[in-house]
Amino acid sequence: NAGVTQTPKFQVLKTGQSMTLQCAQDMNHEYMSWYRQDPGMGLRLIHYSVGAGITDQGEVPNGYNVSRSTTEDFPLRLLSAAPSQTSVYFCASSYSRGTIYGYTFGSGTRLTVV
Amino acid sequence: GQQLNQSPQSMFIQEGEDVSMNCTSSSIFNTWLWYKQDPGEGPVLLIALYKAGELTSNGRLTAQFGITRKDSFLNISASIPSDVGIYFCAALNYGGSQGNLIFGKGTKLSVKP
Repeated sequence: NAGVTQTPKFQVLKTGQSMTLQCAQDMNHEYMSWYRQDPGMGLRLIHYSVGAGITDQGEVPNGYNVSRSTTEDFPLRLLSAAPSQTSVYFCASSYSRGTIYGYTFGSGTRLTVV
Repeated sequence: GQQLNQSPQSMFIQEGEDVSMNCTSSSIFNTWLWYKQDPGEGPVLLIALYKAGELTSNGRLTAQFGITRKDSFLNISASIPSDVGIYFCAALNYGGSQGNLIFGKGTKLSVKP
């Protein structure tokens, strides 16, 4: 089925470890973004991309890196994991940043940093 | 920055009851959206609103785009058990001054014990 695919679904990291959360979409969407969801905080934007080779920071970018080498993929990298990064991470995509159709979300990656 | 204030934070429902939730902002938006998130899943779009004053239905769900363009509400009529989950309002501006989609903090619907 067409959509946004996130891997892994679950991950446990030790403090200081690094890892990459993968996100791929097969809808030829130009816009992709990463959100984190914490209890009572809603969805907060980490980084976004309006096309291959273009990325920008969102509301909570510290501790995360992104790159966009292809239209399909938008990985999120944690360089040195911290307990404060324990969260559920969602990748989203759409035809454009300001689309009237909203964004399509993946099913999330639940990350625990111990 | 821009913020969406969503209320209530949580509510308990009994099957058959009607449910209301709303979202307000100090900023003007030209698009309001309502999403639902089931446990363990990502948010899924329920209703999109593009015009001030617009009232749109999707089955038992009805949403309205406030006339001031600073608020929106969602009603669920005759609730059923599968309505439980987290409902998010979201808003953005399409067109010239585009911004990213921003979200309220969510309204968690649970079944009354």
